[in-house]
Amino acid sequence: QVQLQESGPGLVKPSGTLSLTCGVSGGSISSSNWWSWVRQPPGKGLEWIGEMYHSGSTNYNPSLKSRVTISVDKSKNHFSLRLSSVTAADTAVYYCAKVATPQLHFDSWGQGTLVTVSS
Amino acid sequence: DIQMTQSPSSLSASVGDRVTITCRASQNINNYLNWYQQKPGKAPKLLIYVASSLQSGVPSRFSGSGSGTDFTLTISSLQPEDFATYYCQQSYSTPYTFGQGTKLEI
Repeated sequence: QVQLQESGPGLVKPSGTLSLTCGVSGGSISSSNWWSWVRQPPGKGLEWIGEMYHSGSTNYNPSLKSRVTISVDKSKNHFSLRLSSVTAADTAVYYCAKVATPQLHFDSWGQGTLVTVSS
Repeated sequence: DIQMTQSPSSLSASVGDRVTITCRASQNINNYLNWYQQKPGKAPKLLIYVASSLQSGVPSRFSGSGSGTDFTLTISSLQPEDFATYYCQQSYSTPYTFGQGTKLEI
């Protein structure tokens, strides 16, 4: 069973860049899966941010595409999220998740990390 | 984007009740519909994928049905641990989108 663990700063200043990493254990990031980021503002629903394949292929939510980069480090078996020009609206719990293929459902999740955007 | 609409938004029920939650897609998504359970302070947990397949380890009281645009999640006999928020999610096309959630309360 693959396990995922998010890490990164819990506080980011407005206009700054949010950077998170998701460590993958119990499996290889080079397996035939997509790897995704999902976020959840406090008290609200879930929003898909984007996904990547180990080959480097990515898909992003158009609502965030201009500010998002998802990348992979196969040597460390982890993938990362960068979200630039953040505002208070980006305050949320950020989850990383494994997207099982071919049905494309999120079958493993990290525990989530709260990122607050505030000066 | 494909819009996912769940109903009801909240639901009060009792242990032992049979409960049904509905999810409607704004366009045909075949059977690319997944259901998740989320408890406060926890990550979502996959219950059902491709509309009706039960995820390994999930109790058989959970079931899913539907195709096209209309889907349901049914809990046959509510247990105390089932009180949570439930989300549907389409994986037919990106951007993947979720329903707004259904909060199941005692």
